[in-house]
Amino acid sequence: QLQLQESGSGLVKPSQTLSLTCTVSGGSISTGDSSWSWIRQPPGKGLEWVGYIYNDGRPHYDPSLKSRVTMSVDRSKGQFSLNLTSVTAADTAVYYCARVVYISSGYYAGSNWFDAWGQGILVTVSS
Amino acid sequence: SSELTQDPPVSVALGQTVRITCQGDSLRFYYASWYQQKSGQAPLLVMYGKNSRPSGIPDRFSGSTSGTTASLTITGAQAEDEADYYCHSRDNSGNHLYVFGPGTRVTVL
Repeated sequence: QLQLQESGSGLVKPSQTLSLTCTVSGGSISTGDSSWSWIRQPPGKGLEWVGYIYNDGRPHYDPSLKSRVTMSVDRSKGQFSLNLTSVTAADTAVYYCARVVYISSGYYAGSNWFDAWGQGILVTVSS
Repeated sequence: SSELTQDPPVSVALGQTVRITCQGDSLRFYYASWYQQKSGQAPLLVMYGKNSRPSGIPDRFSGSTSGTTASLTITGAQAEDEADYYCHSRDNSGNHLYVFGPGTRVTVL
């Protein structure tokens, strides 16, 4: 069974860079019809999509974060990563990594879902 | 459009049926998926595609879509179904973006 595990610093100072890694185990990070995503949840609020990256390294980011976000995949290590620069208190959240599976053909091609999630890591932005 | 809207909090009596909805223009072109999130836990996929449940999700959960509205129905709600439920879809702007609804809190009485 596929498992994902987030790791990284739980405390980041304002204006610095948040860096997280998701390690994939129990399956391959190079599976064809899937990509890898980050989702966050500020305390007491709903889920916010941050971005995703295909196995070939092509990323797509939420427009509101696009200028500050970078994602990458290291297939040799079975990991993908998130960097978020110039953080503020508004970036304080539980960050989840997840696998995205999508429909590749038919009328609803492009439909997707997050079928495996990490347990989440709380990142607090504070001096 | 890149927005999904969901119902305000709902309550359901134990053993009764509750349906929650998710609305958005993108649902004409892309299926919604649904996630259950209990307090302090990671979200859990409960419904995807036309009406598919992941392994381990009880068959009291069902899904449907009509036009721009996707629905998640719990038939015979159990105490353990009390949670926040989020819908998700792909944005139909052509920019490969994803979006979540704001969530619906389901309380089982």
